Amino acid sequence: AQKVTQAQTEISVVEKEDVTLDCVYETRDTTYYLFWYKQPPSGELVFLIRRNSFDEQNEISGRYSWNFQKSTSSFNFTITASQVVDSAVYFCALSEARGTSYGKLTFGQGTILTVHP
Amino acid sequence: DTEVTQTPKHLVMGMTNKKSLKCEQHMGHRAMYWYKQKAKKPPELMFVYSYEKLSINESVPSRFSPECPNSSLLNLHLHALQPEDSALYLCASSPPGRDQETQYFGPGTRLLVL
Repeated sequence: AQKVTQAQTEISVVEKEDVTLDCVYETRDTTYYLFWYKQPPSGELVFLIRRNSFDEQNEISGRYSWNFQKSTSSFNFTITASQVVDSAVYFCALSEARGTSYGKLTFGQGTILTVHP
Repeated sequence: DTEVTQTPKHLVMGMTNKKSLKCEQHMGHRAMYWYKQKAKKPPELMFVYSYEKLSINESVPSRFSPECPNSSLLNLHLHALQPEDSALYLCASSPPGRDQETQYFGPGTRLLVL
């Protein structure tokens, strides 16, 4: 069975601090996909990134960066120079590759990030 | 058009009412999903439609009835709901092809059952 663990329930930082959100996953599949979503107070889940199991390259997008390490089954997310607008719940999720059929996302419990001015 | 839309944004209904939630996308996506999300919890999958056919039903009670009239539209019909069904209902869609595992979500409908 697949499982995603986000051990940090809540994180509070002051603006301009860097913050890392941890994600650890379990799967028996050799091919799978990892995701991060952001959910601001408005409720919409905003897609941030997708990474497949064959691509361990780290990725940077503006102030956001992601560190994927298969050896430790981790897919961590770092926000550099955090801003108040980064305050949201962040979900890490895992999807198995299902060929031509559509499958399901296994979500972690989420990390509530609060950035104080 | 690069988004998933959901109506209404908010809905209050009594336990004897019948109402429907609507979800639309015009991105050519061929899979659509309904999720239920309680406060401080991750979304829970309810239904998946793939090419307009129901492919996954996560043992959802029959008081929730999904419908996919065409590839752009997904409805969730509600009848005789319970107060514990109050939640945020999220719709999502996935494109065909190489990105099919990625789900794009709508803004949700906040449902309150009295």
